[in-house]
Amino acid sequence: EAQVTQNPRYLITVTGKKLTVTCSQNMNHEYMSWYRQDPGLGLRQIYYSMNVEVTDKGDVPEGYKVSRKEKRNFPLILESPSPNQTSLYFCASRWGAKDTQYFGPGTRLTVL
Amino acid sequence: EDQVTQSPEALRLQEGESSSLNCSYTVSGLRGLFWYRQDPGKGPEFLFTLYSAGEEKEKERLKATLTKKESFLHITAPKPEDSATYLCAVLKGAGGTSYGKLTFGQGTILTVHP
Repeated sequence: EAQVTQNPRYLITVTGKKLTVTCSQNMNHEYMSWYRQDPGLGLRQIYYSMNVEVTDKGDVPEGYKVSRKEKRNFPLILESPSPNQTSLYFCASRWGAKDTQYFGPGTRLTVL
Repeated sequence: EDQVTQSPEALRLQEGESSSLNCSYTVSGLRGLFWYRQDPGKGPEFLFTLYSAGEEKEKERLKATLTKKESFLHITAPKPEDSATYLCAVLKGAGGTSYGKLTFGQGTILTVHP
């Protein structure tokens, strides 16, 4: 089954404790992205990647890091999480820039 | 600055009462406009892609249209299972660091009562 998977689905952590949210797709897609979704602010892009080792900032990259060492994986790293990073995070992938984008199930992160 | 604005923010309909959702945009070099449906706590689910003004796409009770400034999602004879948040997103033109960047609107929350 073609899908985008994220782990963990739920995470509660404390300020400053480094964490990684994994994202994997099995569709051989070139493009992968991370978004955060907050009430009243909608979906905002954090980072995106056009291919292995090619990444670029989205609208809200501060406080986040990404890497794309393999085509199928695109982990999101929070080196020192803060409470304002409490949000619902989505990973997504698509074949080309104009193609349909498929979203993962989401990771709900709470930073205390 | 690129902007995507959806209206209304929320829409309540009776089952069978047709209506339209609006997505207006100011983006230089639009390469595509996407419509998604999102259920609470879940990832957005793709509905349509529109690439050029005048284009229309249909799927069951939904029909999406595109002009040079806005897109409409028409819902004909909606059912309670159509209740969800509907999101539109625009893809900018190629070039520079904007290539591949999608900008989403804030969504329209649709509730269909039986």
